[in-house]
Amino acid sequence: QVQVQESGPGVVKPSETLSLTCNVSGGSVSSFHWSWIRQPAGKGLEWIGHIYNTGRIDYSPSLKSRLTMSVDTSKNQFSLKLSTVTAADTAVYYCVREWYTSGWATFDYWGQGTLVTVSS
Amino acid sequence: DVQMTQSPSSLSASVGDRVTINCRASQSIAKYLNWYQQKPEKAPILLIYGASGLQSGIPSRFSGSGSGTDFTLTISSLQPEDFATYYCQQTYVTPQLTFGGGTKVEIK
Repeated sequence: QVQVQESGPGVVKPSETLSLTCNVSGGSVSSFHWSWIRQPAGKGLEWIGHIYNTGRIDYSPSLKSRLTMSVDTSKNQFSLKLSTVTAADTAVYYCVREWYTSGWATFDYWGQGTLVTVSS
Repeated sequence: DVQMTQSPSSLSASVGDRVTINCRASQSIAKYLNWYQQKPEKAPILLIYGASGLQSGIPSRFSGSGSGTDFTLTISSLQPEDFATYYCQQTYVTPQLTFGGGTKVEIK
């Protein structure tokens, strides 16, 4: 069974770059598609972007100019970098497997989430 | 962008009640609609995919219906463990896989 676990600093200063890593176990990172989703405290879910096992990467249009996603197959992990952060980027960040069930895209395996606070 | 609007934003119900949650898309999304359940401090869990497909391991009291722009999640007999927040999500329009604002189901 696939498991994913986010890691990264809990606090990032305004204007700096937020960097998170998602470690994958129970399967190869290169076999699946992966998404990042975030959730500000008390609010709803926001899809950030995904990286497919073909190398295709799509970003949310609202974040695209600040985002970079990549995969490191040697470490079986994938990562997220969000530049020039502000308080509005404070949220729980989830890494998620994107899986096609009967042809329908779904998010079926989620990490536990990691809280990132943007604060000086 | 496709906007996903859920209603109601919250509801109160009793154990055993039939509960219905609605989700409306700002444009047709065929049946590209998923439902998730989220409990406090936990990651969401996939309940329904493709508008009506029941995810493996999810109890049959959960069901989904709809196509085009209007969708419904139904819990046929609410159980204590079902008190949570529910989100719909469209996967028709990429690369913006938008979620609804959520519906919180609380104990009456």
